[in-house]
Amino acid sequence: AQKVTQAQTEISVVEKEDVTLDCVYETRDTTYYLFWYKQPPSGELVFLIRRNSFDEQNEISGRYSWNFQKSTSSFNFTITASQVVDSAVYFCALSGGWAGSYQLTFGKGTKLSVIP
Amino acid sequence: KAGVTQTPRYLIKTRGQQVTLSCSPISGHRSVSWYQQTPGQGLQFLFEYFSETQRNKGNFPGRFSGRQFSNSRSEMNVSTLELGDSALYLCASSPGTGGEEQYFGPGTRLTVT
Repeated sequence: AQKVTQAQTEISVVEKEDVTLDCVYETRDTTYYLFWYKQPPSGELVFLIRRNSFDEQNEISGRYSWNFQKSTSSFNFTITASQVVDSAVYFCALSGGWAGSYQLTFGKGTKLSVIP
Repeated sequence: KAGVTQTPRYLIKTRGQQVTLSCSPISGHRSVSWYQQTPGQGLQFLFEYFSETQRNKGNFPGRFSGRQFSNSRSEMNVSTLELGDSALYLCASSPGTGGEEQYFGPGTRLTVT
């Protein structure tokens, strides 16, 4: 069975601070995919990034960066110089690599509040 | 490209009734998945359809069903509604070949009274 754990339920930071959202996953698959989604108050889930299990390169996109470490089964997300618009619930998710396992298994989410 | 659309956006039903929700995926996407989001259980997978066939199903009772049409549009149906079915129902689409990101619609907020 697949499992995603986001231990941080809520985080509050002051604007311009850096913040890291943790994600730990469990899977028996050798091929799998990891994702981060953002859910602003409007409710729609917005895709941020996808990583496959064979690509451990870290990625940076503007103020966002992701650190994937298979050795610790973690896929952490860092926001640099946070802004009020970053306030949202962030979900880490995992899917398998074979037909019948493409569904997303989500963590419980981390609610990020950025205070001006 | 237009995004994923879901109708209706809001729905209020009474216990025991049934409801049908609709989802139109991104053009060219053949996979549609449905998720239920509640404060207590979080985001849970309901089922996935690919080329009109249910490819995978989550751990939900048989009252929850769905289908996909030849144009990839999908519907989900919940019969004999219970109070616990109150939730945000999210539809997601993807090409369906595996491992791709899924794009979500705005959701249907179902309230059962």
